[in-house]
Amino acid sequence: SQKIEQNSEALNIQEGKTATLTCNYTNYSPAYLQWYRQDPGRGPVFLLLIRENEKEKRKERLKVTFDTTLKQSLFHITASQPADSATYLCALDSSNTGKLIFGQGTTLQVKP
Amino acid sequence: NAGVMQNPRHLVRRRGQEARLRCSPMKGHSHVYWYRQLPEEGLKFMVYLQKENIIDESGMPKERFSAEFPKEGPSILRIQQVVRGDSAAYFCASSPPAFEQFFGPGTRLTVL
Repeated sequence: SQKIEQNSEALNIQEGKTATLTCNYTNYSPAYLQWYRQDPGRGPVFLLLIRENEKEKRKERLKVTFDTTLKQSLFHITASQPADSATYLCALDSSNTGKLIFGQGTTLQVKP
Repeated sequence: NAGVMQNPRHLVRRRGQEARLRCSPMKGHSHVYWYRQLPEEGLKFMVYLQKENIIDESGMPKERFSAEFPKEGPSILRIQQVVRGDSAAYFCASSPPAFEQFFGPGTRLTVL
């Protein structure tokens, strides 16, 4: 069956460290994968999109990798700050129509 | 350019009543998506619409739920004869003909 999975346990790290979040999928062949941030009581906010022919993408302190062989994307936040505390969602488009399938999300807590 | 707008932000209905959720996409966006987020669960795709057309409704429950995106005016998600299990946050997203989706703040539906 098709699945997209993120670490269900919350990730707690110290300010200044690098946070690494994992997204694994099975039985999909997405052309691209996206990462969103969601704060409590708010809608998701788009962060990064990475295409199947891209190994890595960066935006300021954020870095995303995409390994289509392992069927995995890693999301890194370097020099993390308490303001980075949120739930991070990965999403893929299974049919190339814009219909997004979301993972459960991983909650990140950055302690000062 | 205003973001995606949804109203109402909070909606309380008694069992058996109808709920109407509205979504105004960002200016220039012709694609609208509706997602549902149940407590402690991830976002689940419901329906994808373009102006006057339903493109993909594979995530919509077969009964009581309907969606439209008329030529003029907002997109409407309508839930007839609501039940307690319909209580959730409903998010609308819009996009131009591309991949990045912009989410609204959501409507939190509570069914008493």
